[in-house]
Amino acid sequence: DAGITQSPRHKVTETGTPVTLRCHQTENHRYMYWYRQDPGHGLRLIHYSYGVKDTDKGEVSDGYSVSRSKTEDFLLTLESATSSQTSVYFCAISDSTYEQYFGPGTRLTVT
Amino acid sequence: DAKTTQPPSMDCAEGRAANLPCNHSTISGNEYVYWYRQIHSQGPQYIIHGLKNNETNEMASLIITEDRKSSTLILPHATLRDTAVYYCIGAGGTSYGKLTFGQGTILTVHP
Repeated sequence: DAGITQSPRHKVTETGTPVTLRCHQTENHRYMYWYRQDPGHGLRLIHYSYGVKDTDKGEVSDGYSVSRSKTEDFLLTLESATSSQTSVYFCAISDSTYEQYFGPGTRLTVT
Repeated sequence: DAKTTQPPSMDCAEGRAANLPCNHSTISGNEYVYWYRQIHSQGPQYIIHGLKNNETNEMASLIITEDRKSSTLILPHATLRDTAVYYCIGAGGTSYGKLTFGQGTILTVHP
Protein backbone atom coordinates (compact mmCIF):
# COMPACT_ATOMS: atom_id res chain seq x y z
CA ASP A 1 0.00 0.00 0.00
CA ALA A 2 1.09 3.54 -0.71
CA GLY A 3 2.54 5.31 2.32
CA ILE A 4 -0.35 7.55 3.17
CA THR A 5 -1.86 8.17 6.58
CA GLN A 6 -4.65 10.35 7.84
CA SER A 7 -5.15 11.77 11.29
CA PRO A 8 -7.27 11.68 13.26
CA ARG A 9 -9.19 8.64 12.04
CA HIS A 10 -12.30 9.61 13.98
CA LYS A 11 -13.36 12.93 15.40
CA VAL A 12 -16.47 14.32 17.01
CA THR A 13 -16.68 18.08 17.31
CA GLU A 14 -19.25 20.74 18.01
CA THR A 15 -20.76 23.18 15.55
CA GLY A 16 -18.70 26.33 15.24
CA THR A 17 -15.37 24.88 16.29
CA PRO A 18 -12.34 24.78 13.99
CA VAL A 19 -11.11 21.40 12.84
CA THR A 20 -7.94 20.40 11.02
CA LEU A 21 -7.43 17.07 9.32
CA ARG A 22 -3.96 15.94 8.35
CA CYS A 23 -2.82 13.86 5.42
CA HIS A 24 0.76 12.60 5.49
CA GLN A 25 2.61 10.77 2.72
CA THR A 26 5.99 9.11 2.52
CA GLU A 27 5.97 8.62 -1.27
CA ASN A 28 7.16 12.09 -2.30
CA HIS A 29 4.24 12.38 -4.71
CA ARG A 30 3.58 15.76 -6.24
CA TYR A 31 -0.21 15.74 -6.20
CA MET A 32 -2.44 15.52 -3.15
CA TYR A 33 -6.23 15.64 -2.90
CA TRP A 34 -9.00 15.91 -0.33
CA TYR A 35 -12.36 14.25 -1.03
CA ARG A 36 -15.49 13.85 1.04
CA GLN A 37 -17.91 10.96 0.77
CA ASP A 38 -21.55 11.13 1.71
CA PRO A 39 -24.43 8.72 1.11
CA GLY A 40 -26.12 9.50 -2.18
CA HIS A 41 -23.29 11.76 -3.40
CA GLY A 42 -20.34 9.49 -3.82
CA LEU A 43 -16.86 10.98 -3.57
CA ARG A 44 -16.51 14.68 -4.26
CA LEU A 45 -13.30 16.65 -4.57
CA ILE A 46 -12.83 19.45 -2.03
CA HIS A 47 -9.35 20.82 -2.76
CA TYR A 48 -6.19 19.60 -4.38
CA SER A 49 -2.52 20.48 -4.46
CA TYR A 50 -0.09 20.25 -7.36
CA GLY A 51 2.99 21.21 -5.38
CA VAL A 52 4.21 22.88 -2.22
CA LYS A 53 2.10 25.98 -1.63
CA ASP A 54 0.19 25.30 -4.87
CA THR A 55 -3.45 24.50 -4.21
CA ASP A 56 -6.76 24.92 -5.96
CA LYS A 57 -10.45 24.43 -5.34
CA GLY A 58 -12.43 21.38 -6.23
CA GLU A 59 -16.11 20.75 -6.61
CA VAL A 60 -17.21 21.41 -3.00
CA SER A 61 -14.68 23.82 -1.51
CA ASP A 62 -16.99 26.22 0.36
CA GLY A 63 -16.27 26.15 4.10
CA TYR A 64 -12.88 24.46 3.66
CA SER A 65 -9.33 25.69 3.35
CA VAL A 66 -6.10 23.79 2.75
CA SER A 67 -2.41 24.27 3.17
CA ARG A 68 0.66 22.47 1.95
CA SER A 69 3.88 23.82 3.40
CA LYS A 70 5.92 20.72 2.62
CA THR A 71 5.63 17.87 0.15
CA GLU A 72 4.54 15.25 2.64
CA ASP A 73 1.72 17.07 4.43
CA PHE A 74 -1.62 18.36 3.18
CA LEU A 75 -3.92 19.90 5.78
CA LEU A 76 -7.66 20.39 5.46
CA THR A 77 -9.22 22.98 7.77
CA LEU A 78 -12.84 23.58 8.58
CA GLU A 79 -12.74 27.11 9.98
CA SER A 80 -16.12 26.79 11.70
CA ALA A 81 -17.56 23.31 11.47
CA THR A 82 -21.21 22.83 10.53
CA SER A 83 -23.41 19.75 10.69
CA SER A 84 -23.41 19.58 6.88
CA GLN A 85 -19.69 18.85 7.06
CA THR A 86 -20.30 15.58 8.86
CA SER A 87 -18.76 13.14 6.43
CA VAL A 88 -15.97 10.71 5.70
CA TYR A 89 -12.90 12.52 4.39
CA PHE A 90 -10.37 10.80 2.16
CA CYS A 91 -6.96 12.04 1.18
CA ALA A 92 -5.31 10.82 -2.01
CA ILE A 93 -1.85 11.13 -3.51
CA SER A 94 -0.52 10.77 -7.02
CA ASP A 95 2.57 11.30 -9.10
CA SER A 96 0.64 10.91 -12.35
CA THR A 97 -2.60 12.80 -11.55
CA TYR A 98 -5.29 10.26 -12.34
CA GLU A 99 -3.71 7.15 -10.81
CA GLN A 100 -4.41 8.08 -7.23
CA TYR A 101 -3.81 6.24 -3.96
CA PHE A 102 -6.20 6.86 -1.15
CA GLY A 103 -5.74 6.98 2.58
CA PRO A 104 -7.89 5.10 5.11
CA GLY A 105 -10.24 8.04 5.69
CA THR A 106 -11.30 10.23 8.60
CA ARG A 107 -14.82 9.99 9.94
CA LEU A 108 -15.88 13.43 11.15
CA THR A 109 -19.07 14.04 13.09
CA VAL A 110 -20.20 17.60 13.80
CA THR A 111 -22.84 17.80 16.52
CA ASP B 1 -14.54 14.83 -18.03
CA ALA B 2 -16.70 12.25 -19.77
CA LYS B 3 -19.99 11.15 -18.25
CA THR B 4 -20.10 7.41 -17.58
CA THR B 5 -23.02 5.06 -17.09
CA GLN B 6 -22.79 1.82 -15.11
CA PRO B 7 -25.37 -0.70 -13.92
CA PRO B 8 -26.18 -0.10 -10.24
CA SER B 9 -25.52 -3.67 -9.19
CA MET B 10 -24.25 -7.04 -10.41
CA ASP B 11 -23.78 -10.49 -8.97
CA CYS B 12 -21.08 -13.04 -9.65
CA ALA B 13 -20.29 -16.52 -8.40
CA GLU B 14 -16.97 -17.04 -6.68
CA GLY B 15 -14.35 -18.38 -9.08
CA ARG B 16 -16.15 -17.12 -12.16
CA ALA B 17 -15.22 -14.12 -14.24
CA ALA B 18 -16.88 -10.84 -13.34
CA ASN B 19 -17.53 -8.58 -16.33
CA LEU B 20 -18.43 -5.03 -15.40
CA PRO B 21 -19.65 -2.80 -18.24
CA CYS B 22 -19.35 0.95 -18.59
CA ASN B 23 -20.72 3.31 -21.22
CA HIS B 24 -18.79 6.50 -21.93
CA SER B 25 -20.14 7.67 -25.27
CA THR B 26 -19.03 11.30 -24.73
CA ILE B 27 -15.41 10.47 -23.99
CA SER B 28 -13.00 12.72 -25.85
CA GLY B 29 -9.89 11.65 -27.70
CA ASN B 30 -7.43 12.51 -24.94
CA GLU B 31 -9.44 11.05 -22.08
CA TYR B 32 -8.51 7.75 -20.50
CA VAL B 33 -10.87 5.24 -18.92
CA TYR B 34 -9.99 4.63 -15.27
CA TRP B 35 -11.37 1.98 -12.96
CA TYR B 36 -11.36 2.17 -9.20
CA ARG B 37 -13.07 0.08 -6.56
CA GLN B 38 -14.06 0.75 -2.98
CA ILE B 39 -14.39 -2.03 -0.48
CA HIS B 40 -16.71 -1.20 2.37
CA SER B 41 -15.41 1.61 4.62
CA GLN B 42 -12.02 1.74 2.90
CA GLY B 43 -10.57 4.34 0.57
CA PRO B 44 -10.95 3.76 -3.17
CA GLN B 45 -8.35 1.56 -4.81
CA TYR B 46 -6.94 2.13 -8.28
CA ILE B 47 -7.39 -0.92 -10.54
CA ILE B 48 -6.45 -0.15 -14.13
CA HIS B 49 -6.71 2.41 -16.89
CA GLY B 50 -6.54 2.54 -20.67
CA LEU B 51 -6.86 4.83 -23.66
CA LYS B 52 -7.82 2.65 -26.63
CA ASN B 53 -5.87 -0.57 -26.36
CA ASN B 54 -6.85 -3.43 -24.11
CA GLU B 55 -4.91 -3.52 -20.88
CA THR B 56 -4.13 -6.21 -18.33
CA ASN B 57 -2.44 -6.14 -14.97
CA GLU B 58 -2.30 -8.40 -11.93
CA MET B 59 -5.74 -7.31 -10.79
CA ALA B 60 -7.88 -7.14 -13.92
CA SER B 61 -8.25 -6.72 -17.65
CA LEU B 62 -9.76 -3.74 -19.41
CA ILE B 63 -11.42 -4.15 -22.79
CA ILE B 64 -12.21 -0.90 -24.65
CA THR B 65 -14.35 -0.97 -27.77
CA GLU B 66 -12.84 0.31 -30.97
CA ASP B 67 -15.09 3.38 -31.01
CA ARG B 68 -14.17 3.98 -27.33
CA LYS B 69 -17.79 4.47 -26.36
CA SER B 70 -17.80 1.63 -23.88
CA SER B 71 -15.51 -0.64 -21.92
CA THR B 72 -15.58 -3.74 -19.76
CA LEU B 73 -13.59 -4.45 -16.64
CA ILE B 74 -12.90 -8.15 -16.23
CA LEU B 75 -11.97 -9.80 -12.95
CA PRO B 76 -10.95 -13.24 -14.25
CA HIS B 77 -11.55 -15.30 -11.11
CA ALA B 78 -13.69 -13.35 -8.67
CA THR B 79 -13.29 -13.98 -4.97
CA LEU B 80 -15.40 -12.89 -2.01
CA ARG B 81 -12.83 -10.14 -1.38
CA ASP B 82 -13.73 -8.60 -4.74
CA THR B 83 -17.14 -7.60 -3.39
CA ALA B 84 -17.02 -3.80 -3.68
CA VAL B 85 -18.32 -0.75 -5.50
CA TYR B 86 -16.60 -0.39 -8.87
CA TYR B 87 -16.23 3.02 -10.46
CA CYS B 88 -15.60 3.72 -14.12
CA ILE B 89 -14.22 7.22 -14.71
CA GLY B 90 -13.35 9.08 -17.89
CA ALA B 91 -10.52 11.49 -17.23
CA GLY B 92 -7.74 13.30 -18.99
CA GLY B 93 -6.46 16.63 -20.12
CA THR B 94 -4.88 19.14 -17.80
CA SER B 95 -7.29 19.15 -14.87
CA TYR B 96 -4.64 18.06 -12.34
CA GLY B 97 -6.20 14.69 -11.79
CA LYS B 98 -9.65 15.75 -10.71
CA LEU B 99 -11.53 12.47 -10.66
CA THR B 100 -15.31 12.58 -10.89
CA PHE B 101 -16.79 9.57 -9.13
CA GLY B 102 -20.31 8.50 -10.09
CA GLN B 103 -22.46 5.99 -8.25
CA GLY B 104 -20.58 2.97 -9.58
CA THR B 105 -21.60 -0.69 -9.72
CA ILE B 106 -22.03 -2.69 -6.55
CA LEU B 107 -20.51 -6.08 -7.32
CA THR B 108 -21.49 -8.88 -4.97
CA VAL B 109 -19.52 -12.11 -5.24
CA HIS B 110 -21.43 -15.10 -3.89
CA PRO B 111 -19.92 -18.34 -2.54
